[in-house]
Amino acid sequence: DTEVTQTPKHLVMGMTNKKSLKCEQHMGHRAMYWYKQKAKKPPELMFVYSYEKLSINESVPSRFSPECPNSSLLNLHLHALQPEDSALYLCASSQGRTGYQETQYFGPGTRLLVL
Amino acid sequence: ILNVEQSPQSLHVQEGDSTNFTCSFPSSNFYALHWYRWETAKSPEALFVMTLNGDEKKKGRISATLNTKEGYSYLYIKGSQPEDSATYLCAFSGSARQLTFGSGTQLTVLP
Repeated sequence: DTEVTQTPKHLVMGMTNKKSLKCEQHMGHRAMYWYKQKAKKPPELMFVYSYEKLSINESVPSRFSPECPNSSLLNLHLHALQPEDSALYLCASSQGRTGYQETQYFGPGTRLLVL
Repeated sequence: ILNVEQSPQSLHVQEGDSTNFTCSFPSSNFYALHWYRWETAKSPEALFVMTLNGDEKKKGRISATLNTKEGYSYLYIKGSQPEDSATYLCAFSGSARQLTFGSGTQLTVLP
């Protein structure tokens, strides 16, 4: 099973709402990632978790709060977002052992619209 | 800021044509170059991970080459089929686990 699942597929939220994005994998991977993709731009790395610990935070605003409750799950908690945060949010996972050579397996993404 | 560029931005070819596109990346601090295929409304699918200068990889009708000294990689598709229509992304890895993506080449194969 090489599947990474993400829920929900679509999300519309107001600027005062609190919502969460969820990502799950059952491949035994120990590295998980959040990327953000704006229209017609490449995916940009937001966060990396390695063995359930946050290892990279690419200067992401605090209104995005990641959480890795166990090795299979990755959440992204959203609070007080701005309309410019509307984007496709992609989750990925990799083995977590060989670093730069590792293939990252991606989910289909959550399309977020902030009104 | 790392600069990873892909060309062309988009490409239309006829079924049966062979095609290729380019990924340019920094030639210093190179660790790996990844190619992904991304169909609309689906997950990006890993095609190749390339690490050594002169690497050539092949998967069916798709192949890729790597030149780390001059900082480029080519992706080739032989005998394009409509199901090859997708965006092809390359991603440069200059440090453990961090990928910097190009903007992609959008390929449309016309029947």
